[in-house]
Amino acid sequence: TQLLEQSPQFLSIQEGENLTVYCNSSSVFSSLQWYRQEPGEGPVLLVTVVTGGEVKKLKRLTFQFGDARKDSSLHITAAQPGDTGLYLCAGASIQGAQKLVFGQGTRLTINP
Amino acid sequence: DSGVTQTPKHLITATGQRVTLRCSPRSGDLSVYWYQQSLDQGLQFLIQYYNGEERAKGNILERFSAQQFPDLHSELNLSSLELGDSALYFCASSVASGDDYEQYFGPGTRLTVT
Repeated sequence: TQLLEQSPQFLSIQEGENLTVYCNSSSVFSSLQWYRQEPGEGPVLLVTVVTGGEVKKLKRLTFQFGDARKDSSLHITAAQPGDTGLYLCAGASIQGAQKLVFGQGTRLTINP
Repeated sequence: DSGVTQTPKHLITATGQRVTLRCSPRSGDLSVYWYQQSLDQGLQFLIQYYNGEERAKGNILERFSAQQFPDLHSELNLSSLELGDSALYFCASSVASGDDYEQYFGPGTRLTVT
Protein backbone atom coordinates (compact mmCIF):
# COMPACT_ATOMS: atom_id res chain seq x y z
CA THR A 1 0.00 0.00 0.00
CA GLN A 2 1.39 3.36 -0.97
CA LEU A 3 1.33 5.94 1.79
CA LEU A 4 2.18 9.62 1.83
CA GLU A 5 3.06 11.24 5.13
CA GLN A 6 2.84 14.96 5.49
CA SER A 7 4.53 16.98 8.17
CA PRO A 8 3.77 18.95 10.11
CA GLN A 9 0.09 18.17 10.46
CA PHE A 10 -0.58 21.61 11.94
CA LEU A 11 1.39 24.82 11.57
CA SER A 12 0.54 28.25 12.92
CA ILE A 13 2.94 31.10 12.18
CA GLN A 14 2.98 34.86 11.93
CA GLU A 15 2.53 36.80 8.74
CA GLY A 16 5.83 37.38 6.98
CA GLU A 17 7.52 34.18 8.16
CA ASN A 18 8.74 31.42 5.88
CA LEU A 19 7.66 27.80 6.16
CA THR A 20 8.19 24.39 4.60
CA VAL A 21 5.76 21.49 4.42
CA TYR A 22 7.02 18.01 3.69
CA CYS A 23 5.47 15.05 1.92
CA ASN A 24 7.32 11.75 2.26
CA SER A 25 6.87 8.18 1.14
CA SER A 26 8.80 4.95 0.79
CA SER A 27 7.15 4.48 -2.61
CA VAL A 28 8.10 5.98 -5.94
CA PHE A 29 5.48 8.07 -7.71
CA SER A 30 5.24 8.96 -11.39
CA SER A 31 4.08 12.44 -10.43
CA LEU A 32 3.06 14.36 -7.38
CA GLN A 33 0.46 17.06 -7.01
CA TRP A 34 -0.12 19.71 -4.39
CA TYR A 35 -3.60 20.94 -3.57
CA ARG A 36 -4.98 23.60 -1.28
CA GLN A 37 -8.37 23.16 0.32
CA GLU A 38 -10.44 25.74 2.14
CA PRO A 39 -13.24 24.84 4.57
CA GLY A 40 -16.38 23.67 2.82
CA GLU A 41 -14.74 23.53 -0.59
CA GLY A 42 -13.00 20.98 -2.76
CA PRO A 43 -9.22 20.75 -3.13
CA VAL A 44 -7.77 23.12 -5.71
CA LEU A 45 -4.78 21.95 -7.74
CA LEU A 46 -1.71 24.15 -7.23
CA VAL A 47 0.99 22.30 -9.13
CA THR A 48 2.07 18.97 -10.60
CA VAL A 49 5.70 17.86 -10.47
CA VAL A 50 6.79 15.02 -12.69
CA THR A 51 10.57 14.85 -12.99
CA GLY A 52 12.85 13.85 -10.12
CA GLY A 53 14.59 16.97 -8.78
CA GLU A 54 12.08 19.26 -10.46
CA VAL A 55 11.46 22.66 -8.87
CA LYS A 56 8.40 24.73 -9.70
CA LYS A 57 7.60 28.20 -8.47
CA LEU A 58 4.17 29.75 -8.12
CA LYS A 59 4.65 33.32 -6.87
CA ARG A 60 5.76 32.90 -3.24
CA LEU A 61 5.31 29.10 -3.30
CA THR A 62 8.18 26.79 -4.31
CA PHE A 63 7.55 23.12 -4.92
CA GLN A 64 10.25 20.50 -5.20
CA PHE A 65 10.08 16.85 -6.20
CA GLY A 66 12.76 14.63 -4.67
CA ASP A 67 15.42 13.13 -6.91
CA ALA A 68 14.08 9.63 -6.25
CA ARG A 69 10.46 10.77 -6.75
CA LYS A 70 9.51 9.58 -3.28
CA ASP A 71 9.13 12.91 -1.55
CA SER A 72 8.24 16.52 -2.11
CA SER A 73 8.27 19.82 -0.31
CA LEU A 74 6.32 23.04 -0.42
CA HIS A 75 8.07 26.20 0.72
CA ILE A 76 6.18 29.43 1.27
CA THR A 77 8.10 32.68 1.50
CA ALA A 78 6.74 35.65 3.46
CA ALA A 79 3.48 33.90 4.34
CA GLN A 80 0.27 35.91 4.22
CA PRO A 81 -3.09 35.34 5.94
CA GLY A 82 -4.51 34.42 2.53
CA ASP A 83 -2.23 31.36 2.51
CA THR A 84 -4.25 29.85 5.36
CA GLY A 85 -5.75 26.50 4.43
CA LEU A 86 -5.28 22.74 4.24
CA TYR A 87 -2.41 21.74 1.97
CA LEU A 88 -2.57 18.24 0.52
CA CYS A 89 0.00 16.32 -1.46
CA ALA A 90 -1.12 13.48 -3.72
CA GLY A 91 0.97 10.93 -5.58
CA ALA A 92 0.21 9.09 -8.80
CA SER A 93 1.27 5.46 -8.92
CA ILE A 94 4.07 4.39 -11.25
CA GLN A 95 2.05 1.28 -12.05
CA GLY A 96 -0.27 3.48 -14.03
CA ALA A 97 -3.15 2.95 -11.66
CA GLN A 98 -5.67 5.68 -12.02
CA LYS A 99 -6.01 6.69 -8.40
CA LEU A 100 -4.20 9.35 -6.46
CA VAL A 101 -2.85 8.61 -3.00
CA PHE A 102 -3.33 11.59 -0.71
CA GLY A 103 -1.40 12.62 2.35
CA GLN A 104 -3.31 13.54 5.50
CA GLY A 105 -2.70 17.21 4.88
CA THR A 106 -1.05 20.12 6.65
CA ARG A 107 -3.38 22.64 8.20
CA LEU A 108 -1.69 26.00 7.91
CA THR A 109 -2.75 29.12 9.79
CA ILE A 110 -1.10 32.45 9.10
CA ASN A 111 -1.78 34.97 11.84
CA PRO A 112 -1.86 38.67 10.93
CA ASP B 1 -14.62 27.47 -9.96
CA SER B 2 -13.19 24.15 -11.18
CA GLY B 3 -16.03 23.50 -13.62
CA VAL B 4 -17.03 20.33 -11.75
CA THR B 5 -20.50 20.48 -10.23
CA GLN B 6 -21.93 18.34 -7.46
CA THR B 7 -25.41 18.09 -6.04
CA PRO B 8 -26.72 18.27 -3.44
CA LYS B 9 -24.35 20.40 -1.37
CA HIS B 10 -25.72 19.10 1.90
CA LEU B 11 -27.63 15.92 2.69
CA ILE B 12 -29.00 14.81 6.03
CA THR B 13 -30.51 11.36 6.32
CA ALA B 14 -31.10 8.56 8.79
CA THR B 15 -29.26 5.30 9.29
CA GLY B 16 -30.39 2.53 6.98
CA GLN B 17 -31.42 4.90 4.21
CA ARG B 18 -30.11 5.18 0.67
CA VAL B 19 -28.90 8.35 -1.06
CA THR B 20 -27.59 9.31 -4.49
CA LEU B 21 -24.92 11.92 -5.04
CA ARG B 22 -24.52 13.47 -8.47
CA CYS B 23 -21.50 14.84 -10.28
CA SER B 24 -21.06 16.59 -13.62
CA PRO B 25 -17.45 16.71 -14.85
CA ARG B 26 -15.73 19.63 -16.54
CA SER B 27 -16.64 20.03 -20.17
CA GLY B 28 -14.47 17.68 -22.21
CA ASP B 29 -13.33 15.52 -19.29
CA LEU B 30 -13.96 11.80 -19.69
CA SER B 31 -12.77 10.56 -16.30
CA VAL B 32 -14.68 10.92 -13.07
CA TYR B 33 -13.31 10.04 -9.65
CA TRP B 34 -15.10 9.78 -6.32
CA TYR B 35 -13.43 10.47 -2.98
CA GLN B 36 -14.55 10.36 0.63
CA GLN B 37 -13.09 12.82 3.12
CA SER B 38 -13.63 12.32 6.82
CA LEU B 39 -11.85 13.90 9.75
CA ASP B 40 -9.97 10.79 10.78
CA GLN B 41 -9.31 9.23 7.37
CA GLY B 42 -8.31 12.10 5.16
CA LEU B 43 -9.14 11.99 1.46
CA GLN B 44 -9.77 8.40 0.34
CA PHE B 45 -10.19 7.32 -3.27
CA LEU B 46 -13.37 5.33 -3.85
CA ILE B 47 -13.77 4.64 -7.55
CA GLN B 48 -12.99 5.94 -11.04
CA TYR B 49 -14.95 5.83 -14.27
CA TYR B 50 -13.65 6.58 -17.72
CA ASN B 51 -16.03 7.18 -20.59
CA GLY B 52 -18.75 5.15 -18.95
CA GLU B 53 -16.67 2.24 -17.75
CA GLU B 54 -15.24 1.46 -14.33
CA ARG B 55 -11.47 1.96 -14.49
CA ALA B 56 -10.18 1.68 -10.92
CA LYS B 57 -11.49 0.82 -7.51
CA GLY B 58 -10.24 2.00 -4.16
CA ASN B 59 -11.58 1.57 -0.67
CA ILE B 60 -15.20 1.48 -1.69
CA LEU B 61 -17.63 -0.45 0.48
CA GLU B 62 -19.97 -3.02 -1.04
CA ARG B 63 -22.88 -0.86 0.14
CA PHE B 64 -21.65 1.86 -2.22
CA SER B 65 -21.88 1.80 -5.99
CA ALA B 66 -21.35 4.25 -8.79
CA GLN B 67 -21.96 4.65 -12.48
CA GLN B 68 -21.16 7.03 -15.28
CA PHE B 69 -23.82 7.81 -17.83
CA PRO B 70 -23.51 8.43 -21.60
CA ASP B 71 -23.56 12.19 -21.01
CA LEU B 72 -20.55 11.57 -18.69
CA HIS B 73 -22.21 12.66 -15.48
CA SER B 74 -21.76 10.25 -12.61
CA GLU B 75 -23.76 9.14 -9.61
CA LEU B 76 -22.56 7.64 -6.36
CA ASN B 77 -25.14 5.52 -4.57
CA LEU B 78 -24.78 4.92 -0.85
CA SER B 79 -27.11 2.39 0.75
CA SER B 80 -27.80 0.98 4.22
CA LEU B 81 -26.21 4.10 5.57
CA GLU B 82 -24.36 4.02 8.87
CA LEU B 83 -23.28 6.81 11.17
CA GLY B 84 -19.69 6.29 10.04
CA ASP B 85 -20.63 7.16 6.46
CA SER B 86 -20.99 10.79 7.48
CA ALA B 87 -18.32 12.61 5.49
CA LEU B 88 -17.62 14.94 2.64
CA TYR B 89 -17.87 13.23 -0.74
CA PHE B 90 -15.94 14.78 -3.58
CA CYS B 91 -16.07 14.17 -7.26
CA ALA B 92 -13.12 15.04 -9.48
CA SER B 93 -12.64 14.90 -13.21
CA SER B 94 -9.74 14.79 -15.61
CA VAL B 95 -9.32 14.84 -19.34
CA ALA B 96 -8.03 11.32 -19.75
CA SER B 97 -7.37 8.15 -17.88
CA GLY B 98 -3.73 7.70 -18.70
CA ASP B 99 -0.85 10.03 -17.97
CA ASP B 100 -2.97 13.08 -17.28
CA TYR B 101 -3.42 12.92 -13.51
CA GLU B 102 -4.44 16.52 -13.04
CA GLN B 103 -7.76 16.13 -11.34
CA TYR B 104 -10.16 19.00 -10.75
CA PHE B 105 -12.43 18.72 -7.76
CA GLY B 106 -16.01 19.72 -7.29
CA PRO B 107 -17.27 21.55 -4.19
CA GLY B 108 -18.35 18.32 -2.49
CA THR B 109 -21.47 16.94 -0.88
CA ARG B 110 -21.59 16.95 2.90
CA LEU B 111 -23.46 13.85 4.05
CA THR B 112 -24.69 13.64 7.60
CA VAL B 113 -26.18 10.36 8.78
CA THR B 114 -28.18 10.62 12.01
